[in-house]
Amino acid sequence: KNEVEQSPQNLTAQEGEFITINCSYSVGISALHWLQQHPGGGIVSLFMLSSGKKKHGRLIATINIQEKHSSLHITASHPRDSAVYICAVRSGNQFYFGTGTSLTVIP
Amino acid sequence: DTGVSQNPRHKITKRGQNVTFRCDPISEHNRLYWYRQTLGQGPEFLTYFQNEAQLEKSRLLSDRFSAERPKGSFSTLEIQRTEQGDSAMYLCASSSGLGYAAPLHFGNGTRLTVT
Repeated sequence: KNEVEQSPQNLTAQEGEFITINCSYSVGISALHWLQQHPGGGIVSLFMLSSGKKKHGRLIATINIQEKHSSLHITASHPRDSAVYICAVRSGNQFYFGTGTSLTVIP
Repeated sequence: DTGVSQNPRHKITKRGQNVTFRCDPISEHNRLYWYRQTLGQGPEFLTYFQNEAQLEKSRLLSDRFSAERPKGSFSTLEIQRTEQGDSAMYLCASSSGLGYAAPLHFGNGTRLTVT
């Protein structure tokens, strides 16, 4: 069993839809990261959070430490949001990664 | 701050050859990580440095793999006697030592193809 589980694995949405990607983890963490990876591109850090909620533009990330669960929401989705979204948790000196959620937003 | 830099971007090699990749982290970052990512999977941890000390090494890292960070700045990852299963994207990331919640910054990776 992986330390970090993401769902769904693949997601297709129409432009403008509200999108939710979920992440559950099984280890004790000091921080959780949401990362974005475009095809052939590098990885960009979207959020780092250890409690509560953060918002940046159309992106919102929440975390529930007691339930060991985090969600990434995208409001008013756009085709340029199409990418792989990866949840990563920091536990001690190590980072554990989910397998990613591949998002395609159709115009 | 030019971000994390990795070289080369792509490497094609024949099975059995040795390859070496380089990572230049963000200059003030003392923590450096190497990861491997295969298609459709999230990154897998390989090894971690704090300054020049290699503090953790994954069991995924066979004795054909070695990493160094001699002066606590850039790092190299060497794979000896490459195998086709080594084909993957090798990612480097760095973070500062300002607590465990410091952001992680990734390079663009080195894509290795072993033929």
